[in-house]
Amino acid sequence: EDQVTQSPEALRLQEGESSSLNCSYTVSGLRGLFWYRQDPGKGPEFLFTLYSAGEEKEKERLKATLTKKESFLHITAPKPEDSATYLCAVQVTGNTPLVFGKGTRLSVIA
Amino acid sequence: GAGVSQTPSNKVTEKGKYVELRCDPISGHTALYWYRQSLGQGPEFLIYFQGTGAADDSGLPNDRFFAVRPEGSVSTLKIQRTERGDSAVYLCASSPTSGRASPNNEQFFGPGTRLTVL
Repeated sequence: EDQVTQSPEALRLQEGESSSLNCSYTVSGLRGLFWYRQDPGKGPEFLFTLYSAGEEKEKERLKATLTKKESFLHITAPKPEDSATYLCAVQVTGNTPLVFGKGTRLSVIA
Repeated sequence: GAGVSQTPSNKVTEKGKYVELRCDPISGHTALYWYRQSLGQGPEFLIYFQGTGAADDSGLPNDRFFAVRPEGSVSTLKIQRTERGDSAVYLCASSPTSGRASPNNEQFFGPGTRLTVL
């Protein structure tokens, strides 16, 4: 069974305090790994897709990396507006549904 | 352009009633997905359409749940004889691909419909 585990469940950071969120996965075959941001009361907002081990993508203060067993979302010098739940998901083949983790709730305190 | 829209944004109903939830995908997107998200959990897959047909409905919890997409665009998720355990946020997503593996197969989500069954 395809599984995605995210850690920690919740993370509280001071503004400017860099950290990383972890997403470990067990799948029969990986087509892509996705990161989404979700604000309270909103739908998930697409951030990144990673397709192969060693791949990295960046967007503002966020950088996502991928290995054969896990992905990290690095947050550099976070700001309060980065507070949200970050969801990781995997896709096994080209157009199949995503399998999500439970998410990491990030709070950045000014 | 316009994103995925869902109506209603909130729906409160009584146990045993029938509800319909609507999803308008991004124009031109051929793939459409329904997910359900409970508090503190990630979205869980319900059903996936490629065009007008349901390509995978293995996530539907039981036969009270049904979804249609008659013209390959708008989709309706239908829940019969609602139960309190059906309370959740129902999310719809669409993707531009047409079934072939593509780097551009990201799924774009709507804001969701919050369903409360009293």
